[in-house]
Amino acid sequence: DAGITQSPRHKVTETGTPVTLRCHQTENHRYMYWYRQDPGHGLRLIHYSYGVKDTDKGEVSDGYSVSRSKTEDFLLTLESATSSQTSVYFCATQQVEGGPRAGELFFGEGSRLTVL
Amino acid sequence: AQSVTQLGSHVSVSEGALVLLRCNYSSSVPPYLFWYVQYPNQGLQLLLKYTSAATLVKGINGFEAEFKKSETSFHLTKPSAHMSDAAEYFCAVGYSGGGADGLTFGKGTHLIIQP
Repeated sequence: DAGITQSPRHKVTETGTPVTLRCHQTENHRYMYWYRQDPGHGLRLIHYSYGVKDTDKGEVSDGYSVSRSKTEDFLLTLESATSSQTSVYFCATQQVEGGPRAGELFFGEGSRLTVL
Repeated sequence: AQSVTQLGSHVSVSEGALVLLRCNYSSSVPPYLFWYVQYPNQGLQLLLKYTSAATLVKGINGFEAEFKKSETSFHLTKPSAHMSDAAEYFCAVGYSGGGADGLTFGKGTHLIIQP
């Protein structure tokens, strides 16, 4: 399975503080994604990246920014955290170039963020 | 844009009974279809994947799903539920190109197994 690690796994912060979540992959997959998971909403796409320095917005991108300076790392930043951003955040990678696992998403273990 | 509908946010079955989790998608082009499973405090794991090779797809842990184009459905079944099947299940539709339309998830179905 793809090696995807997220850090931190748990974080509690206060409203108005900046927060950065990190996703690191060892599979050299081109696409990387950040999702948030909330009860009743399933998984919602925040941002994604299709290459180094190539990123785009997803469904719920307001209040979030991302950066990808290396193939293996994809950072999600909350510039000024709000209570509505309390959630579980998942990073995922995707191989799209073909092969038996093309199209699949490989997920990290998640980062639980609480904004007080 | 495609969408995925999972009927029932919670499904409860008795241990040993048939599991049926429903998924319908909207798409004009035959897509990739996936079922993912999420155990408590873990990420999502691939259960099975449809790629047009066969309409009946077998996955891990005894699960299988049947693609029915005429019904735009991809329901997940397991003949006999086990306590370890208790988890959240997500249906997803995707295309090979990746990106914002790369994969769209349903809202999930929480499977409860009664002893």
